[in-house]
Amino acid sequence: GNSVTQMEGPVTLSEEAFLTINCTYTATGYPSLFWYVQYPGEGLQLLLKATKADDKGSNKGFEATYRKETTSFHLEKGSVQVSDSAVYFCALSRLNTGTASKLTFGTGTRLQVTL
Amino acid sequence: EAEVAQSPRYKITEKSQAVAFWCDPISGHATLYWYRQILGQGPELLVQFQDESVVDDSQLPKDRFSAERLKGVDSTLKIQPAELGDSAMYLCASSPGYGYTFGSGTRLTVV
Repeated sequence: GNSVTQMEGPVTLSEEAFLTINCTYTATGYPSLFWYVQYPGEGLQLLLKATKADDKGSNKGFEATYRKETTSFHLEKGSVQVSDSAVYFCALSRLNTGTASKLTFGTGTRLQVTL
Repeated sequence: EAEVAQSPRYKITEKSQAVAFWCDPISGHATLYWYRQILGQGPELLVQFQDESVVDDSQLPKDRFSAERLKGVDSTLKIQPAELGDSAMYLCASSPGYGYTFGSGTRLTVV
C-alpha cells in the first residue's frame, strides 16, 4: 500500500536559518505529492504540491521537488521566520486516476523557530 | 474564499455517550472525506463519500462509528458509544475531483 515517511521532530531552528524536512514515499504508479501545514488548534492548509516527477512546488518561500528516482519530496526554506512555527505534513494521493482519491499522510514534523 | 464548515469546534463528552459531528463541504464538491487525527500523528481516513455513496470505509470502526451524506451535500459522523481512545481531531475535507480543502476540524475529548 501507499505510505509516507517523514523525519522525526521537533525541529528547532533560529530565525533566518535554513530548513529541510525530509519526506520519502512508497506508492504504486505515479502519485501526486503535497505538503500541508497545521497551526495549533487549526485544520490543514495546503502549502505546496507537485503532480509529476521533477516538478517543483513552491509557496511562501517554501520549495519541494518531486524526485521519482529517490521517491522523495523534501521541504526546504532558505530563511525561516518565527511565524513558520507549525506542524508540517507530507502526503500523497492518486489524483491522476481521474477521481479524488484519499490523501495518505506522514506523521508530521513539528517546527519551532526561535528569535 | 469558499470554506468547508465543521461544527462543533470543540466537544467534550463522557465515555459511553453518543456524539455527532457535522460537515458542510464547498458547494459542488462531489467528494467528501472524514479523517481522524490523534494527537502527534498524521490524519487517517475514516470514510470517503462520492456524492451520497460510500467509496471507502475500510478504516471506520463500524461497531461504534457511522457516517452519512444523505443528499450528497452535508455529512454527519456519529460515535456511539464514545470511548476514551476516540479523543482526537476529526477533520472533514472536500474535493471537486482534484485538490482538497480541509475544514478547521472538531476537537473531541472523551472523559
